[in-house]
Amino acid sequence: GQQLNQSPQSMFIQEGEDVSMNCTSSSIFNTWLWYKQDPGEGPVLLIALYKAGELTSNGRLTAQFGITRKDSFLNISASIPSDVGIYFCAGHGSNTGKLIFGQGTTLQVKP
Amino acid sequence: DTAVSQTPKYLVTQMGNDKSIKCEQNLGHDTMYWYKQDSKKFLKIMFSYNNKELIINETVPNRFSPKSPDKAHLNLHINSLELGDSAVYFCASSDSPNNEKLFFGSGTQLSVL
Repeated sequence: GQQLNQSPQSMFIQEGEDVSMNCTSSSIFNTWLWYKQDPGEGPVLLIALYKAGELTSNGRLTAQFGITRKDSFLNISASIPSDVGIYFCAGHGSNTGKLIFGQGTTLQVKP
Repeated sequence: DTAVSQTPKYLVTQMGNDKSIKCEQNLGHDTMYWYKQDSKKFLKIMFSYNNKELIINETVPNRFSPKSPDKAHLNLHINSLELGDSAVYFCASSDSPNNEKLFFGSGTQLSVL
């Protein structure tokens, strides 16, 4: 089945640093999304990308839909303690109607 | 008002028992989902219902039976619980089956002893 490889698996950074994480797939997706999961909560949508090459920002977050439609990255600039959590990429294929999640990147921010 | 609410938050039970998790959404969405998150945080879809009709049924043991009495509710009943069923179960909703913008509940942590 379709799989997404997300890296890195975890990151431990200093407050104020920039963060980058990415997601690759062997399959093409029509939509890429990035979700964040806080401890004890469900994932919350951060950014949705709909076109190859699209670059979208949401505050300090920037995400891009890869040209090949098989990858995406998420950048977080000037990290703050509340950025702590698990970040998931997800790909949606219109032919399956399913949202496939990556394994997640656990981010820890040291004040 | 919580958009997607599921109960209970925590569920601790013995092997072999039967248990249910309830989910309700007040967003007016047509589509609801159950996802399972394992100990490695991997999220995998189990079921999806659109307007009370089952549209996605992944390879899930038939001990798991979803029920959707109306489009605002999707409950999950699990029979004969096993140790491997221990996980966090998330309910989610979207306004249509092809809308990838899912709204998740806060999860039910199931521990089978």
